[in-house]
Amino acid sequence: SQKIEQNSEALNIQEGKTATLTCNYTNYSPAYLQWYRQDPGRGPVFLLLIRENEKEKRKERLKVTFDTTLKQSLFHITASQPADSATYLCAPVHLTGRRALTFGSGTRLQVQP
Amino acid sequence: DAGVTQSPTHLIKTRGQQVTLRCSPKSGHDTVSWYQQALGQGPQFIFQYYEEEERQRGNFPDRFSGHQFPNYSSELNVNALLLGDSALYLCASSKWWLAEHNEQFFGPGTRLTVL
Repeated sequence: SQKIEQNSEALNIQEGKTATLTCNYTNYSPAYLQWYRQDPGRGPVFLLLIRENEKEKRKERLKVTFDTTLKQSLFHITASQPADSATYLCAPVHLTGRRALTFGSGTRLQVQP
Repeated sequence: DAGVTQSPTHLIKTRGQQVTLRCSPKSGHDTVSWYQQALGQGPQFIFQYYEEEERQRGNFPDRFSGHQFPNYSSELNVNALLLGDSALYLCASSKWWLAEHNEQFFGPGTRLTVL
């Protein structure tokens, strides 16, 4: 069955460091992958999308990589700030099921000042 | 420009009761999807509506039903509530013909507690 795995344990880092979050998937052949941020008690907010033919994508302090051979996406936040503390969700998406999202369970990031 | 709105914010029901949750999509969006998020989990897809029809459905029982109105707003109905239905219910909107690469815009959610 299809499975999306994100680190279930919280990631604690110091302010200014780079945070790296992992999204692994099995029995999937996604056409693209989305990353969302979710704050407690709020809905997810879209951050970045990367397509299967893109190896890397950047947006300000965010960088996402997509390795279809390893079936893995890495999400990096450089020069992290306490305001980056949140849960980050990945959602690999098929072309056929492109209008519905299946999320991983998310990784909680805590940036210490 | 209002984003996605949901009502009510919080709801407490007892087992066996029925509940209706409401969602208004972001202006310009025509597609509404509903998700259930249990504590510590990612959102789970329930179903999606476009042109007032259910277009896709996740692995949820028939107790979960929905509706989309001509103004694109939507309702989620859950019958015969179970304790396990306690969760944050999220509504997301998008544009149907851009959905393959366009992001979903989520509302703040409705927190449902079943006692």
